[in-house]
Amino acid sequence: AQSVSQHNHHVILSEAASLELGCNYSYGGTVNLFWYVQYPGQHLQLLLKYFSGDPLVKGIKGFEAEFIKSKFSFNLRKPSVQWSDTAEYFCAVTRGSGGSNYKLTFGKGTLLTVNP
Amino acid sequence: GAVVSQHPSWVICKSGTSVKIECRSLDFQATTMFWYRQFPKQSLMLMATSNEGSKATYEQGVEKDKFLINHASLTLSTLTVTSAHPEDSSFYICSARGGGDYGYTFGSGTRLTVV
Repeated sequence: AQSVSQHNHHVILSEAASLELGCNYSYGGTVNLFWYVQYPGQHLQLLLKYFSGDPLVKGIKGFEAEFIKSKFSFNLRKPSVQWSDTAEYFCAVTRGSGGSNYKLTFGKGTLLTVNP
Repeated sequence: GAVVSQHPSWVICKSGTSVKIECRSLDFQATTMFWYRQFPKQSLMLMATSNEGSKATYEQGVEKDKFLINHASLTLSTLTVTSAHPEDSSFYICSARGGGDYGYTFGSGTRLTVV
């Protein structure tokens, strides 16, 4: 079964600092990769996704992620965080074809706290 | 954009009673819906996958007789927690998938507390 590892449980940054959240997955075949964000009291929202093509994916709110197949990684980055980025971030993966492969497997999440 | 409405957002029930949680896709047809359970400081754990008009597929370790899932239409799926016990207290989240771009839209979640 596939699994997703997020290395950091809680990250604390000051505003304007750069962010990188790690994500590794364990499935060796074709994958689709996602980053979701959950702001306090709100539902999960999609930040960005990778299916194929350019391994550097740009998402909303200035976030980007790079798929490195050889490292089974899909790290999330933002050059300069804001207080409003305080939230929980989840990496998720599905296998790259249809049917039951639509199931999303989530990492445990990383809580990001940005201090003003 | 796609919206999924989940109700109720929180519920408190007595041990032994049943609770129904609804998940509706408001502006698209959800061919597949997913139910997750999230424990504090932990990840979302998939409980079951449901396709409209067919029986749900439950993940290993999830009691299908306890967590009844009905996906009777392309816009509505329900999760009923039967004979709830305090250990069923958790945050339940639904997700709906529609269209061809692997788009998943999440509901806002339901906080269930069994006393």
